Amino acid sequence: AQSVTQLGSHVSVSEGALVLLRCNYSSSVPPYLFWYVQYPNQGLQLLLKYTSAATLVKGINGFEAEFKKSETSFHLTKPSAHMSDAAEYFCAVTPAQAGTALIFGKGTTLSVSS
Amino acid sequence: DGGITQSPKYLFRKEGQNVTLSCEQNLNHDAMYWYRQDPGQGLRLIYYSQIVNDFQKGDIAEGYSVSREKKESFPLTVTSAQKNPTAFYLCASSELAGGFHEQFFGPGTRLTVL
Repeated sequence: AQSVTQLGSHVSVSEGALVLLRCNYSSSVPPYLFWYVQYPNQGLQLLLKYTSAATLVKGINGFEAEFKKSETSFHLTKPSAHMSDAAEYFCAVTPAQAGTALIFGKGTTLSVSS
Repeated sequence: DGGITQSPKYLFRKEGQNVTLSCEQNLNHDAMYWYRQDPGQGLRLIYYSQIVNDFQKGDIAEGYSVSREKKESFPLTVTSAQKNPTAFYLCASSELAGGFHEQFFGPGTRLTVL
């Protein structure tokens, strides 16, 4: 069965520092992978998605993620953190059956200090 | 603009009362979902529906009920049988055929039991 593990429930960085949020997945079929961002008291917004077209995926707000099949990872990065990046981030993988729900990790809260 | 709307934004309930959360989408998506979010627990699936007049239980369906009489609407009722209903509730939708199973989220409803 598919599953997602996000390492670190809380990550803290300084403004201007590299952001690295980790996601590992297990999947019995070639996966599609997603990163979502959630600001307080709001819904989830799609940051980027991997759909097998390219292993390095660029998303909104300067984020990108690299799909590494050998490591079963899809880590999210941003070269330089901004205060507005402070939010909760969720990694998700497609289920085996279309129309059943995405499988989400438990989320990582990113804090950015000045 | 296409999207998902949820109402109300905030909802207060007395113990023993049933309440209904609204979810409407104009994305012409076949599948719709309800999630519950509690701090540190990520998103937990309550119910999902792939087609009108059909729906399936998710991981935490006890104490909840849904209906899908129209493609655009997927209301969630929190019944008095749900022992701890205070949480943030998120509705989502996705394409069923084709696409990459990306889910689009509404802004959420925060339910508080008084």
